[in-house]
Amino acid sequence: GDSVTQMEGPVTLSEEAFLTINCTYTATGYPSLFWYVQYPGEGLQLLLKATKADDKGSNKGFEATYRKETTSFHLEKGSVQVSDSAVYFCALSDQGGSEKLVFGKGTKLTVNP
Amino acid sequence: GAGVSQSPSNKVTEKGKDVELRCDPISGHTALYWYRQSLGQGLEFLIYFQGNSAPDKSGLPSDRFSAERTGGSVSTLTIQRTQQEDSAVYLCASSLLRGHEQYFGPGTRLTVT
Repeated sequence: GDSVTQMEGPVTLSEEAFLTINCTYTATGYPSLFWYVQYPGEGLQLLLKATKADDKGSNKGFEATYRKETTSFHLEKGSVQVSDSAVYFCALSDQGGSEKLVFGKGTKLTVNP
Repeated sequence: GAGVSQSPSNKVTEKGKDVELRCDPISGHTALYWYRQSLGQGLEFLIYFQGNSAPDKSGLPSDRFSAERTGGSVSTLTIQRTQQEDSAVYLCASSLLRGHEQYFGPGTRLTVT
């Protein structure tokens, strides 16, 4: 079945550092790809998405590009802030009919001042 | 407008008891999903509703788990004869239509003692 693999955490960075969180996927068909974020004490929120190959999703300074040739959707931000501390989940939508989300295990990011 | 709401926010129950978890989706959203978030398994899909019918129940882990949706709105997830491995955060999400952005509720934290 479809699956998502993302880099193990936790990741600890200093403010203004560059962030990359790797995500690769295995899927039949052409799924949409997502990054969700879970801030401490809050629910899951959609951060960005891409629906087809070579699309770039972006939001709040975060970017990810749908790379079909490498089956990847890595999350990047040029300069992280303390407020970016959260758990980040990579996900794909299953194309089997329900379009349910298949999630990676999550990567906890801590940004220190 | 109001987001997805879930109740209760926390539930502690004894092993062997039945529990009901409730989800109120965003008004007008036809698609509804249940997921489970646990330390060992990450975020897993449980069941998908389109209107009042459930065309994808593939994620329900055993026949102790069931769910229904009434009036194309409220959904209830029922776990019978709870076991300790059922302890997790149960998340509900809704979307306007299948394949559209899923909006998540805050979750119900279930603890089975």
